[in-house]
Formats: sequence, C-alpha cells, structure tokens
Amino acid sequence: SQQGEEDPQALSIQEGENATMNCSYKTSINNLQWYRQNSGRGLVHLILIRSNEREKHSGRLRVTLDTSKKSSSLLITASRAADTASYFCATRPADDYKLSFGAGTTVTVRA
Amino acid sequence: DSGVTQTPKHLITATGQRVTLRCSPRSGDLSVYWYQQSLDQGLQFLIQYYNGEERAKGNILERFSAQQFPDLHSELNLSSLELGDSALYFCASSVVGGGEQYFGPGTRLTVT
Repeated sequence: SQQGEEDPQALSIQEGENATMNCSYKTSINNLQWYRQNSGRGLVHLILIRSNEREKHSGRLRVTLDTSKKSSSLLITASRAADTASYFCATRPADDYKLSFGAGTTVTVRA
Repeated sequence: DSGVTQTPKHLITATGQRVTLRCSPRSGDLSVYWYQQSLDQGLQFLIQYYNGEERAKGNILERFSAQQFPDLHSELNLSSLELGDSALYFCASSVVGGGEQYFGPGTRLTVT
C-alpha cells in the first residue's frame, strides 16, 4: 500500500500559471520528498523537506509541510511547458529507511 | 543524467523464464534501491541494499531476489516470470539510506 496520496490526480494549466498539488500521508515521517517523472523515464529528485521544517524553496518550487495534518504541498510558480510531467511525493518513515511513493499528480502545461 | 546506469534498457522474454537486471549506482553512493512501476500498482519499493547488505524490504515477491556486490553494483533477479511482472524496473542510489535518491533510466520488462 502507498503511504502518500497526491491530490489532484491530474492538473491542466496554462503556461505562466501556478500549479499546486497536495500530498497526504498516514504515519510519522523523517522526511518527505518530491520527485518529477517525464513519461516513461526515471524519476528526478526535486526537493526534500525534513519533519522539523515547515517550508522550503528551490527555484520556482515551494514545498510546505504540516506534520500536524500529515500533509505537504508542492507549488510550481510561473509554469512552463517543460514542467509537464508526473509529480510524486515520497515519505520516509521515522523508523525506517525506505521511501513510499504516492500515485502521483499528472501536470499538463498548455502553451 | 543522474549518474545511475541500468542495463538492459528493454527486455522481452517469455513466461516462466528468468532474467537479471543490472544497476550501477552513482560514484560514492552506498545505497541502492529497486522499484517496480506498473500502471495498476504504481511505483512500488522492492528492496534496498547498503554497502552490500540488505537494509529494507518492500513488496518483493519470493520469485525475485537481489544482491549488491563489493563494487557496489546491484543485480535484481526475476524468475518464473508471469505476465503481471511486465513493468518498468528502476534502480536508484543515494549516499546514505533515507535521503534523496537518484534514479536510473529504468529497464522495461515485457513478459509475453
């Protein structure tokens, strides 16, 4: 079973708009990570946020973490066609090393 | 390019057969992870090795086995293959367990 659940499953936006996707999880975590996957290719690590952090930025990406609600969000600002991909959250439990991936959010950026 | 290499890129084989997938981690990474990605199951963690030893196990079938060698490359062995084993198999590596992972391009396995 998957620890993280992304919402929405799919998102279609216009170039230049912002895209927000959410991830909810069930158990205590050590960290939460976001990855991007272009169709049929390997996942690319985007950002890691630790359980004691609330917000993190990387370029046009902003990640928030609310451990009380067991949820995280990924915001992509000023989206580009190249941002079209599937985005996955992955959680590392507090007492384990393995990552559990959610089902992903498919983002389509229209030109 | 993540620095993680996987061979072969594509594999087509028949039910009942056995295959070996190979992964070379990024230089300096001690942890290797194997994942299976299929349309119906999503991305499933199979197994993790750290410096040659098994560290974590996920939804890995008994027909599947893996190992990490002294030079840190890893192999995933899949035996008695079934149609449902058709999937993308990814290898990932990291410096330490539980941190950011770097994924290889994957091996697409088709069982006919």
